[in-house]
Amino acid sequence: EAGVVQSPRYKIIEKKQPVAFWCNPISGHNTLYWYRQNLGQGPELLIRYENEEAVDDSQLPKDRFSAERLKGVDSTLKIQPAELGDSAVYLCASSEASGGPTNTGELFFGEGSRLTVL
Amino acid sequence: AQSVTQLGSHVSVSEGALVLLRCNYSSSVPPYLFWYVQYPNQGLQLLLKYTSAATLVKGINGFEAEFKKSETSFHLTKPSAHMSDAAEYFCAVSRLGGFKTIFGAGTRLFVKA
Repeated sequence: EAGVVQSPRYKIIEKKQPVAFWCNPISGHNTLYWYRQNLGQGPELLIRYENEEAVDDSQLPKDRFSAERLKGVDSTLKIQPAELGDSAVYLCASSEASGGPTNTGELFFGEGSRLTVL
Repeated sequence: AQSVTQLGSHVSVSEGALVLLRCNYSSSVPPYLFWYVQYPNQGLQLLLKYTSAATLVKGINGFEAEFKKSETSFHLTKPSAHMSDAAEYFCAVSRLGGFKTIFGAGTRLFVKA
């Protein structure tokens, strides 16, 4: 079974440039998450989708960050314009539907997209 | 609100020695608890999870953790460290139904030959 796939793995851009990250979750997983992991820290949730609906985007900096999950499968996270402080690893994860009787909260992560803003 | 505290950002052990990584949690509802491992330039992968069944949980690669409600702890142990265990370890907490997993800051494990 294929895992969570993310691209690109690495991206280097100059500040004020746009950048986008793509994620394909595990087949059948209704819930998709974008996390940001700063150097030496744990992942922090940016946004959670249930199918195509963003149900928790309270930590997403909406002035420059946007995300979409068309058709409830793949997702894209965009930053425009990027700032120096956006340098981090952006992790995508998926899981069974939140609230489901069998969901224990286990997350399945992709390998991440490492962003460096110069 | 839920939170996780990992004691010690770095832990160093000799190969063959006991590994002990500490995690304390705060939760107003019965928690689900997890340990994830992250190898360099990779995503997180699940080591083990506690979901209100047995309090002693066994995971992959010889790791285990014990849920102690009275101490609000979920420490990770392994009797004998191997060089391949060198990685970053994250403790995490979520609620029933899988809502909003909160991660600790992580503990980097170094294993000396």
